[in-house]
Amino acid sequence: DVQMTQSPSTLSASVGDRVTITCRASQSISSWLAWYQQKPGKAPTLLIYQASTLDSGVTSRFSGSGSGTEFTLTINSLQPDDFATYYCQHQGTFGQGTKVEI
Amino acid sequence: EVQLVESGGALVQPGGSLRLSCAASGFTFSSYWMTWVRQAPGKGLEWVANTTPNGGGKHYVDSVKGRFTISRDNTNNSVYLQINSLRAEDTAVYYCGRELRVSGSLNDGIDFWGQGTMVTVSS
Repeated sequence: DVQMTQSPSTLSASVGDRVTITCRASQSISSWLAWYQQKPGKAPTLLIYQASTLDSGVTSRFSGSGSGTEFTLTINSLQPDDFATYYCQHQGTFGQGTKVEI
Repeated sequence: EVQLVESGGALVQPGGSLRLSCAASGFTFSSYWMTWVRQAPGKGLEWVANTTPNGGGKHYVDSVKGRFTISRDNTNNSVYLQINSLRAEDTAVYYCGRELRVSGSLNDGIDFWGQGTMVTVSS
């Protein structure tokens, strides 16, 4: 089975920062990668699929890149609403999550 | 508007059983793969099971094989998760979701999620 490893586990940032989260696959997964945002007590929401395609209604401050085994989620000009936990996913495997906090 | 509403979560003793339900609306249910994902308290997301649009194909994470059964009723736009032989480690919020399959082959992600239903396994 493919393993997904996110880094960092926690990220401290400020409003206006540009932040990058990395997700590594244990073997090549082409561009089959999704990113989610989850806020406390809420269900996750899909941000990006196929590594770089923004889901409908997602702000362009979010972007995704990568292919093969290494992928990144970038958030430009971090806003208060962006402080949350982010997960990558390939098929039946999620990364362990990255908490973006102040 | 797409809506997914889970129900059936409860406090159950170890070894017990539960049937979780997810009622779908706002889309052509019979055209989509449906999935269950769980999240233990304070932990990350874990994919549990999914089913093909016609219900003929079902897939499970290894840790639940033989104990969990996913099923669906396309007449009533619902997907279910039968959970047997419950263990403490099954304690989690269980979410149902609609899978996005843009190219029709692999799962591109889960584009709609329910609000979740809590399953607590404890004596």
